[in-house]
Amino acid sequence: ETGVTQTPRHLVMGMTNKKSLKCEQHLGHNAMYWYKQSAKKPLELMFVYSLEERVENNSVPSRFSPECPNSSHLFLHLHTLQPEDSALYLCASSQGPSAYGKSSYEQYFGPGTRLTVT
Amino acid sequence: EDQVTQSPEALRLQEGESSSLNCSYTVSGLRGLFWYRQDPGKGPEFLFTLYSAGEEKEKERLKATLTKKESFLHITAPKPEDSATYLCAVRPLYNQGGKLIFGQGTELSVKP
Repeated sequence: ETGVTQTPRHLVMGMTNKKSLKCEQHLGHNAMYWYKQSAKKPLELMFVYSLEERVENNSVPSRFSPECPNSSHLFLHLHTLQPEDSALYLCASSQGPSAYGKSSYEQYFGPGTRLTVT
Repeated sequence: EDQVTQSPEALRLQEGESSSLNCSYTVSGLRGLFWYRQDPGKGPEFLFTLYSAGEEKEKERLKATLTKKESFLHITAPKPEDSATYLCAVRPLYNQGGKLIFGQGTELSVKP
């Protein structure tokens, strides 16, 4: 596997279900991100993890719960979602500042999970 | 408030017809401006990073330029395979956690 992978690619869930989205990056990066992309709207940043610590939470409803067990893996746990939560959920990674002082600001994205809430 | 606006929203070109996409930004200090390409149903693909006014980057038929208020993505002699949505994003200078602010994108269609 190379780059950033996401599973599942497609998910249909009812409003009472609980599901999780998984992201894995194979780039050796130390920062990971969740974005939401809705039709005709800019990408919305949801969560940022840097060195496995959550550094940003963009006023996201509590029905979305992120988890970052290590620098290569990121999860988004979903429960009691609403139909308006249907969207493409994108994971990204980047190399933030490290002990070696090197960083690049480009974010590399996975293919996304197309979520439909019925 | 930090903001990114892209124009036009949609652009239709004939194969070989060169044009430019615009990205205007308002940000309290710029650490970097990024261009991405996104095909339908896929994640954005990184194209360029520009850091300072006057900087230019090129890749095949694409050339990105940067001023203090906007960036242009010039497409020379486009081909149908260049059809995609092009996204512009900025990273503010004083920003925790590497947050990028995205524009809404320009949907490019190149007809043979």
